[in-house]
Amino acid sequence: AQKITQTQPGMFVQEKEAVTLDCTYDTSDPSYGLFWYKQPSSGEMIFLIYQGSYDQQNATEGRYSLNFQKARKSANLVISASQLGDSAMYFCAMRPQGGSEKLVFGKGTKLTVNP
Amino acid sequence: GAVVSQHPSRVICKSGTSVKIECRSLDFQATTMFWYRQFPKQSLMLMATSNEGSKATYEQGVEKDKFLINHASLTLSTLTVTSAHPEDSSFYICSACPGQTYEQYFGPGTRLTVT
Repeated sequence: AQKITQTQPGMFVQEKEAVTLDCTYDTSDPSYGLFWYKQPSSGEMIFLIYQGSYDQQNATEGRYSLNFQKARKSANLVISASQLGDSAMYFCAMRPQGGSEKLVFGKGTKLTVNP
Repeated sequence: GAVVSQHPSRVICKSGTSVKIECRSLDFQATTMFWYRQFPKQSLMLMATSNEGSKATYEQGVEKDKFLINHASLTLSTLTVTSAHPEDSSFYICSACPGQTYEQYFGPGTRLTVT
């Protein structure tokens, strides 16, 4: 069975600094996809970044980058130059192989950006 | 990006009544939609996979007779919570996949409160 582990229930960062949110995963599938979503207090799930298991380079999207270490089965999210609006819950998710697009989510990390 | 809507955004109902939640993909067709449930301060738990024109696939432990899913068209899936009870109070979120892509778009969620 696939599993996503986020070990940081909460993280704090100063505005304008960088922060890393940890995510490890467990799967026996050779092909899979890894996602990060942001969920502000309003509840909507906002897609941030995607990494395919066969992608050679780490994914980047603006201030977001994914530190993908396949051998360690980790997919940490790095947010650079944190902004107050980055305060939210962050979920790591995995899409297993098999033709289904369903996602398995981690428990999430609550990020608080301090001014 | 693609847009998924949900209606209603909030609903309060009395115990024993049924509630229908709609999930629509506004600018793309989705053969597959997903329904998630999220309790306060917890992660998203997949309830079922909704397939257009066929029966939904429910996750283990989800009562299919209580959570009725109908995916009648390529842009609409509905979740009906039948004979709702206070323990069904939760945040329900749907998602849809445009197909041929890894991206999965989430609706804004529906907060159900059963009194």
